[in-house]
Amino acid sequence: DVKVTQSSRYLVKRTGEKVFLECVQDMDHENMFWYRQDPGLGLRLIYFSYDVKMKEKGDIPEGYSVSREKKERFSLILESASTNQTSMYLCASNSGGTGNQPQHFGDGTRLSIL
Amino acid sequence: LAKTTQPISMDSYEGQEVNITCSHNNIATNDYITWYQQFPSQGPRFIIQGYKTKVTNEVASLFIPADRKSSTLSLPRVSLSDTAVYYCLVVGTGGYNKLIFGAGTRLAVHP
Repeated sequence: DVKVTQSSRYLVKRTGEKVFLECVQDMDHENMFWYRQDPGLGLRLIYFSYDVKMKEKGDIPEGYSVSREKKERFSLILESASTNQTSMYLCASNSGGTGNQPQHFGDGTRLSIL
Repeated sequence: LAKTTQPISMDSYEGQEVNITCSHNNIATNDYITWYQQFPSQGPRFIIQGYKTKVTNEVASLFIPADRKSSTLSLPRVSLSDTAVYYCLVVGTGGYNKLIFGAGTRLAVHP
């Protein structure tokens, strides 16, 4: 079974802090994704990566950056956290090729910015 | 990218069949229809995917009419553990940068 592991289930940070959310997958997947999930809004794509050191913006990239130095690891960075970034963050991965490959999700990091 | 519309919530009882319909009027030729299930405090889990007609696996069936402008996820004989949010997603063979899940359908199964 594919395993996508997010480093923290819950995280509390302060406004202005630099925040790192880490995600690791164990299936040698080419693609990795970061979403945020807010009540009533479903999942929204922040960034995705289709290869090491490659990234593309999703729907809501403002205020975020990402890093993918190794194939199995995809990091989401909040350069200067703000209260409106309080949310559930979900990482996912899938194999490359056609875009309809199912995505495998981690269990999320619930981030609170005070 | 095709936008999807599905009911916000549904209620059912144990042992009943549940059908959740998703509308995707602007689906493109290369798009697939994919359904995910999400329990509280967990990430979404892939359930089923189809392109046309009918697809069945051990968990659900997916019915897609010829015009592909809608699809129906069918859950046979639901149990309390099927209480979850179900997302309908239209996914093309490219264009990850606009992948949108939508708000999903919250299914509540009652004893």
